[in-house]
Amino acid sequence: AQRVTQPEKLLSVFKGAPVELKCNYSYSGSPELFWYVQYSRQRLQLLLRHISRESIKGFTADLNKGETSFHLKKPFAQEEDSAMYYCALASGGSNYKLTFGKGTLLTVNP
Amino acid sequence: DAGITQSPRHKVTETGTPVTLRCHQTENHRYMYWYRQDPGHGLRLIHYSYGVKDTDKGEVSDGYSVSRSKTEDFLLTLESATSSQTSVYFCAIRGRGASNYGYTFGSGTRLTVV
Repeated sequence: AQRVTQPEKLLSVFKGAPVELKCNYSYSGSPELFWYVQYSRQRLQLLLRHISRESIKGFTADLNKGETSFHLKKPFAQEEDSAMYYCALASGGSNYKLTFGKGTLLTVNP
Repeated sequence: DAGITQSPRHKVTETGTPVTLRCHQTENHRYMYWYRQDPGHGLRLIHYSYGVKDTDKGEVSDGYSVSRSKTEDFLLTLESATSSQTSVYFCAIRGRGASNYGYTFGSGTRLTVV
């Protein structure tokens, strides 16, 4: 069974500080991983997907298969980064579906 | 936006009554999903559909049923609402092809069962 673990429910940093949101996964196949962000009472939005290796809003994430991790990083946090962040793992095949972690609430203090 | 809407946006209902939530898409996507979002639990899959009349259960399907009679609509029914089903419900769609990885979400339905 696939599983996504986000060990921190809450993370609080000051503006300008580096931030790292942790995500570990368990999956027997080749993983397809994503980060989603949800600003206060809004819909979830796709932030990053590992396959594209892109940087969005200054965030990056690298898939580490050896450590089964997909941590989200940003060198200098901004107040507008305050939101709920979800890591998600896709199962492939004809019954494609995403399994989400429980989320980490990031607060960036001024 | 990817053309996905949910209705109603908010609903208060009484315990024991049936409730139907609607997800409507205009993108002709094959896959549609219903999740519930609860503090401390993240998002949990209730049911999903991979085509018209093709549906399957997720991890928290008890007490819920779904129907998909046409591509654009995916309905979630709470057969007899209970207080434990008070939650925010999100619908999502996934398209085909390499350009459509991941999901696009609706704005959510906030359901309160009293």
